[in-house]
Amino acid sequence: QSALTQPASVSGSPGQSITISCTGTSSDVGGYNYVSWYQQHPGKAPELMIYDVSNRPSGVSNRFSGSKSGNTASLTISGLQAEDEADYYCSSYTSSSTSYVFGTGTRVTVL
Amino acid sequence: EVQLVESGGGLVQPGGSLRLSCAASGFIFSSYRMNWVRQAPGKGLEWVSYITDTSTNIYYADSVKGRFAISRDNAKNSLYLQMNSLRDEDTAVYYCARDLLGYYVMDVWGRGTTVTVSS
Repeated sequence: QSALTQPASVSGSPGQSITISCTGTSSDVGGYNYVSWYQQHPGKAPELMIYDVSNRPSGVSNRFSGSKSGNTASLTISGLQAEDEADYYCSSYTSSSTSYVFGTGTRVTVL
Repeated sequence: EVQLVESGGGLVQPGGSLRLSCAASGFIFSSYRMNWVRQAPGKGLEWVSYITDTSTNIYYADSVKGRFAISRDNAKNSLYLQMNSLRDEDTAVYYCARDLLGYYVMDVWGRGTTVTVSS
């Protein structure tokens, strides 16, 4: 199972909005609304930010939003803050192995 | 407080074995699917294996199939990963993670345990 494709890095200034893409296939991202996004700070465990494409868990800021079109999902962070600087991973259920597949990861830098 | 705590990591030689444990607390462990996910140094996340609540269904990534075995003991609120025939490329931080009930998403993660395979 190949990893989902994400840009290696995205950057923005405080207050700006950025969008991270996550491209898969019809066996994963395109076939199911089971796309999730995780934030990971250095040396820490991943933290769930978005699930089922666009749902936010309790406690996650509404500056984080998700969407999907075809085989590509997206995470948008609006009103970028210094604390948003981290690695972000998308994940999807995949029917090809009845399991999960992660994205390649995106490093977000706040300029 | 919902919590997952991994243990059992360490240094092992290529070809060796190791058994990881994950202790769950703060929720009804027996109701949840559970996963192991790993992250090699400086690399991304890789799903390794998952097990359903009653151990009826178990799945593995191709990279560990035939070498790793996931199991659970609901009476002890514990998840395990038996790792055999370890390779250099198995070096990683291993996380256990809970599936959100009724969803395909890992909503609670442990802090991880480090496995280093080296001679």
